[in-house]
Formats: sequence, C-alpha cells, structure tokens
Amino acid sequence: QKEVEQDPGPLSVPEGAIVSLNCTYSNSAFQYFMWYRQYSRKGPELLMYTYSSGNKEDGRFTAQVDKSSKYISLFIRDSQPSDSATYLCAMSVTGNKLVFGAGTILRVKS
Amino acid sequence: EAGVAQSPRYKIIEKRQSVAFWCNPISGHATLYWYQQILGQGPKLLIQFQNNGVVDDSQLPKDRFSAERLKGVDSTLKIQPAKLEDSAVYLCASSPQGGGGQPQHFGDGTRLSIL
Repeated sequence: QKEVEQDPGPLSVPEGAIVSLNCTYSNSAFQYFMWYRQYSRKGPELLMYTYSSGNKEDGRFTAQVDKSSKYISLFIRDSQPSDSATYLCAMSVTGNKLVFGAGTILRVKS
Repeated sequence: EAGVAQSPRYKIIEKRQSVAFWCNPISGHATLYWYQQILGQGPKLLIQFQNNGVVDDSQLPKDRFSAERLKGVDSTLKIQPAKLEDSAVYLCASSPQGGGGQPQHFGDGTRLSIL
C-alpha cells in the first residue's frame, strides 16, 4: 500500500464547474499538507500549504485536511481552462521530506 | 525574485554512460532538495542538503548516484553509470531553512532519457 493515494484521473469538467480533488494517506504522523499544480514540462508550483487539520482558502482554492479520516481535499471554484494541469498532493512529518501522491490530471473544457 | 534554476533542460544518453545535472536555488535559501519524478508518478526525494551538509540521503541509490553542494549554494547531481530505469525528470527544490512552515519551491527540472 502506498503512503499517499491519489486518483490519477483524468478528471474532465466544463468551465465554471467546482472541482474536487482528493488524497488519502496511511501515515498518521503527517502534519504538513500541500497541494502543487504542475503544467506539462514544468516544475510543481505550490498552491496551498496547511499545517494540521482544518480549512484554508486562497481565492478560488480551498484546501481541507481531515486528520481523523486521513483525507485531504482541494476545491477549485469557477474552474478555468487555465486550471488544466496535474494536481499533486504532498505531505510531510517534519516539513522536510515530502511524500507525493501520483497526481490527478484535470482538464477544464471551454 | 528569481526562481530555482536547473540545467540542462533535456539530456539523452545511452545506458552505462554518466550524466550530471546542475541546480542554483533561490537566493538565500539554505535548504536544497533533489527529487526524481518518473512518468506518471509524483516526485520522490533523493537527497536533502542544509547549507553544504547532507540531511537525508536515505533514498539515494548510492552505488550510482552522487550529489554535492559546494559552498552551500549550487548543487550537482551525478549518475554513473546510468540504467534504463533512471529515465525520469530530476527536480531541484529549495526552501529558506527547511522544516515546518518552509514551503519548497521547485525548478522546471532536467528531463533525462536513457537509450
């Protein structure tokens, strides 16, 4: 069993839809949770960074962490074609070594 | 602020050859990471430096991979000899000090193909 599980998709949605991306994990020691966006042939770009449980909002993006269920989510409101990318969840015990999910491919159709 | 710089962007070599990648982190960032991203997978940490010292190299295949960070700034990652399974994107990341509350910022990587 992988430490971090993420559905690879692809997830295809119409422009303007609300997108829900999720990851589950097995290591209860994870404390730091991140979402990265990766465009083709580019490096991962940090979107959201949260510590422990709870919600965090930044513009159209909302990150949720439920440590009791070992489940994290990223919501994208009013999705745009420019949001089409691979979304990677990442987690860490100390904030150093990141353990990534395999990434979910998102396609937003205009 | 300039981002993490990596070169070359692409490299094609034959198996058993050697190859080296270079990384220049964001100015002032003390912590530098090398990750390997195989197609269809998330990045996997190979090695972490704090200034010019190694913090974690537990997942670095030390029989063929080596890395150094002289003077605590630039870093090089070397593979010798390369195997077919080393085909991947090699990503460099940096953070101000490492640890909690210090997000990692990634470069665009070096895409390595082994023939």
